[in-house]
Amino acid sequence: NAGVTQTPKFQVLKTGQSMTLQCAQDMNHNSMYWYRQDPGMGLRLIYYSASEGTTDKGEVPNGYNVSRLNKREFSLRLESAAPSQTSVYFCASSQISNQPQHFGDGTRLSIL
Amino acid sequence: GQQVMQIPQYQHVQEGEDFTTYCNSSTTLSNIQWYKQRPGGHPVFLIQLVKSGEVKKQKRLTFQFGEAKKNSSLHITATQTTDVGTYFCVRSSGNTGKLIFGQGTTLQVKP
Repeated sequence: NAGVTQTPKFQVLKTGQSMTLQCAQDMNHNSMYWYRQDPGMGLRLIYYSASEGTTDKGEVPNGYNVSRLNKREFSLRLESAAPSQTSVYFCASSQISNQPQHFGDGTRLSIL
Repeated sequence: GQQVMQIPQYQHVQEGEDFTTYCNSSTTLSNIQWYKQRPGGHPVFLIQLVKSGEVKKQKRLTFQFGEAKKNSSLHITATQTTDVGTYFCVRSSGNTGKLIFGQGTTLQVKP
């Protein structure tokens, strides 16, 4: 039982490159989330999907797009990476909104 | 969204000492969740408090939700090195399921 799986675990990009971060959960959860965590800070919500077929902006959506591909998968895309997007990205899922969230191991992304 | 404020930001204790972190909100909370993140790890759900004045215990950890549902605390009795990490209190934003994380309290335990 893998829980929430994120790929890749590490990535280095050049400014202006694009990239998609992948996330999949095997817990049959309805809701999925993308967060970023900067050094010494809490997590900030980028986008979330309360259920399959819906996506909504979180606190810091600028520069990102998401796709809820199916119930299991929720991807995060950076169309034109900027150094300010250097961060650790966490995907999470929950049975329904407001319920405890299960997090993946994170993707450590550096943009030069 | 309105953040929850956590204090202290950092705490260093000697192994065996107690530790408490506090979480405060300017508005009434429907519930509060607590997560722990080990260094280099991901947040792990600890507990959710829903009722006014609720107290829950997990071994050496005691969680409280204030009577007015505007504050919460986590107390660890007799800390161990395995308690090292950052503890986040987290509020939910309405019915959207969005979680608003506090800044966290980072606990260091000296053996």
